Amino acid sequence: IAGITQAPTSQILAAGRRMTLRCTQDMRHNAMYWYRQDLGLGLRLIHYSNTAGTTGKGEVPDGYSVSRANTDDFPLTLASAVPSQTSVYFCASSEGGTDYNEQFFGPGTRLTVL
Amino acid sequence: GENVEQHPSTLSVQEGDSAVIKCTYSDSASNYFPWYKQELGKGPQLIIDIRSNVGEKKDQRIAVTLNKTAKHFSLHITETQPEDSAVYFCASREGFRIKAAGNKLTFGGGTRVLVKP
Repeated sequence: IAGITQAPTSQILAAGRRMTLRCTQDMRHNAMYWYRQDLGLGLRLIHYSNTAGTTGKGEVPDGYSVSRANTDDFPLTLASAVPSQTSVYFCASSEGGTDYNEQFFGPGTRLTVL
Repeated sequence: GENVEQHPSTLSVQEGDSAVIKCTYSDSASNYFPWYKQELGKGPQLIIDIRSNVGEKKDQRIAVTLNKTAKHFSLHITETQPEDSAVYFCASREGFRIKAAGNKLTFGGGTRVLVKP
């Protein structure tokens, strides 16, 4: 059972470049999420999706976009990367449907924007 | 929106001692409070959670308490062991006012726990 996979594991990117972080889950979860983790700031929600075909903005959505064409995949795109987007990015999923479902996290992608 | 504050940011304890991490939240309608443990180089993993209709929950060496009136909740780890060394995050889930909002969590800033042998 893979759970959630993320790719790449790490990436160094020049400012202004476009980058897509990939996330795939095999648990058939309805809901998926993207977080960024910065030192001292915990995890902040970027975008989320309650079900395939729908997306919503989280706490820090500016500069990022997502799509949810199917249940399993939830890619995060940085259209034009800036140094402030240097962070560790985590994708997560949950069954959805109630308030109390556990969120399962992927291993993360470490992104450095120079 | 919801605001969650977590203290302390770092905590060093001797093996066998207890560790306590405290969080406060701002939205009185929040109804679900999970705790996640993050080991080095890995994603966070749920270790225990509590719902707003419960005051305390225990699972072996870990326990969580909730004070809805004061809007704070705490994680207690007893008989700490070296494998308890990790970063711990509290989180809260706002009440299900709007169905379209989904199961969004607001996380605290994290506590780095070091258990010294």
